[in-house]
Amino acid sequence: NAGVTQTPKFRVLKTGQSMTLLCAQDMNHEYMYWYRQDPGMGLRLIHYSVGEGTTAKGEVPDGYNVSRLKKQNFLLGLESAAPSQTSVYFCASSYYGQGAYEQYFGPGTRLTVT
Amino acid sequence: GENVEQHPSTLSVQEGDSAVIKCTYSDSASNYFPWYKQELGKGPQLIIDIRSNVGEKKDQRIAVTLNKTAKHFSLHITETQPEDSAVYFCAAIPSSFGNEKLTFGTGTRLTIIP
Repeated sequence: NAGVTQTPKFRVLKTGQSMTLLCAQDMNHEYMYWYRQDPGMGLRLIHYSVGEGTTAKGEVPDGYNVSRLKKQNFLLGLESAAPSQTSVYFCASSYYGQGAYEQYFGPGTRLTVT
Repeated sequence: GENVEQHPSTLSVQEGDSAVIKCTYSDSASNYFPWYKQELGKGPQLIIDIRSNVGEKKDQRIAVTLNKTAKHFSLHITETQPEDSAVYFCAAIPSSFGNEKLTFGTGTRLTIIP
């Protein structure tokens, strides 16, 4: 099992450019999440999905869009990148079910917007 | 929504000594409190968790305590070793959103001094 994988690992964008981050999991998890991690601010939830075809906003959704067309994949899109979106992005997944709270994280994508 | 505060933001301890990290939460109905460890260049990984019907839980050198009345919980690491150096995050599940989303603290960078 690869667990949760993220592509790319690193990316540099210019202001106004667009890109898509891909998250894939092979654990048959229902729930998937996108977080951003900034110094001193911990992990903040951007968007999440509770199943194929569903998405919902998290704490900091502005400037991002997501899609979950397949159960194993969760895509995070930036339509017009801004320097404030410079961050490390983590994808995570978890089971659905009573007491099934553990989230499994990918290795992260470091994004720099100049 | 839920608010989780974590202290201290940095902590240095001598190898073999104990380390304690504390978190407070705001939603008295929160019922699940995990701790994640993030090593350099990797995604966070669950190391221990506690539910609101339990006051303390141990796993070898790691323990977590929960005080529901005061709304705080703590991570205790005994006999610290160099491999304990990492960033630690506490989290809580806000009851109003079921079991889909975690609210994370801002993290503690723990450094073990050889």
